[in-house]
Amino acid sequence: SAVISQKPSRDICQRGTSLTIQCQVDSQVTMMFWYRQQPGQSLTLIATANQGSEATYESGFVIDKFPISRPNLTFSTLTVSNMSPEDSSIYLCSVEGGEGATEAFFGQGTRLTVV
Amino acid sequence: AQSVAQPEDQVNVAEGNPLTVKCTYSVSGNPYLFWYVQYPNRGLQFLLKYITGDNLVKGSYGFEAEFNKSQTSFHLKKPSALVSDSALYFCAVRDEAGFQKLVFGTGTRLLVSP
Repeated sequence: SAVISQKPSRDICQRGTSLTIQCQVDSQVTMMFWYRQQPGQSLTLIATANQGSEATYESGFVIDKFPISRPNLTFSTLTVSNMSPEDSSIYLCSVEGGEGATEAFFGQGTRLTVV
Repeated sequence: AQSVAQPEDQVNVAEGNPLTVKCTYSVSGNPYLFWYVQYPNRGLQFLLKYITGDNLVKGSYGFEAEFNKSQTSFHLKKPSALVSDSALYFCAVRDEAGFQKLVFGTGTRLLVSP
């Protein structure tokens, strides 16, 4: 299994500002994933980040709002830009093999509150 | 497209009693099925998975799940609940055909009373 460190664990931000969330994995992985978990709801995939290529965004999420970096095989960042109260959520980093039978492993999440 | 349904928002059970958290799925091919647990202020922890083989899968913390292809279900079970099992449980599915994203259910909150 992979050990994933996510920082910060929580933050309170002013609307209109941006927050960058970091995700560090203890082993090299091909694919990293960013999820959003809105209050009382399930996980929604934001984007898939592969090293050396642009992230692939899911419907409803755009790069200008959620830019992602993936500089190497153990690290990724997600930025939440120009925040509004609607962006208040838990943001989770995840890694997995990317196909079939492999389970996903998650960081502890970043609880973001926008005021 | 694949989907997962968790019909119960909350399940209440007394400590020592058996528990069941329900999950049904829909995929076009054969499913890969997963259960995760989320404790307050924590990320998701993997509990168990069904890939192929025996329909009864055993996982962490005494949990098990039963795969039923005809009913397209993958219910999570535990013979004797503990208060510490109280948490949010998510079922997830992926279609075996190539790379498909992991799709999560809406979650079921389990409350185990002393």
